[in-house]
Amino acid sequence: EPEVTQTPSHQVTQMGQEVILRCVPISNHLYFYWYRQILGQKVEFLVSFYNNEISEKSEIFDDQFSVERPDGSNFTLKIRSTKLEDSAMYFCASSGDRSSYNSPLHFGNGTRLTVT
Amino acid sequence: RKEVEQDPGPFNVPEGATVAFNCTYSNSASQSFFWYRQDCRKEPKLLMSVYSSGNEDGRFTAQLNRASQYISLLIRDSKLSDSATYLCVVKAHNFNKFYFGSGTKLNVKP
Repeated sequence: EPEVTQTPSHQVTQMGQEVILRCVPISNHLYFYWYRQILGQKVEFLVSFYNNEISEKSEIFDDQFSVERPDGSNFTLKIRSTKLEDSAMYFCASSGDRSSYNSPLHFGNGTRLTVT
Repeated sequence: RKEVEQDPGPFNVPEGATVAFNCTYSNSASQSFFWYRQDCRKEPKLLMSVYSSGNEDGRFTAQLNRASQYISLLIRDSKLSDSATYLCVVKAHNFNKFYFGSGTKLNVKP
């Protein structure tokens, strides 16, 4: 069964550093997402991406964040200057092949980001 | 008002019990509904989609009540391996965004 893959599984960085989290969505999916989950809290929407542009973003997704699909397979989340409160699990997800707009989200197994 | 609300639990039940969770959603334009399961420090995994007429998958039954804007999940004959957090997820038509509930924790005890 096709999977969403994320790398790295764990990233430790110092406050103020830039990090890039990488994802390879399921190949025939059209919609891509980043979510985050602070330990013990709910899954929070960050951004959705369709047709090579952001389609929705949350108030969390401020100017420190950006997304890119640089080569038709990878989907990246960049945090320009990390803060302690950015420490969380970051999940990439994809959905929606051409036959089903309402198909469910398929998640990668996440990148645990620790900002020290 | 939150888009999706769930009772956080925990629900502590013995093996073999039947347990039900409800979830309410605020946007009447919501079109797609799902239950996900999340184990500790793991990604959410799709348990089942929820269809208008209700649907069943083995020991799991999902129901949708559009008039009252809630969905439910029933688990029969609970197993120890059912212990997890169950997430209610709702998607509005024409919005490229899935809304998550905060999850309901289930502990199945021997």
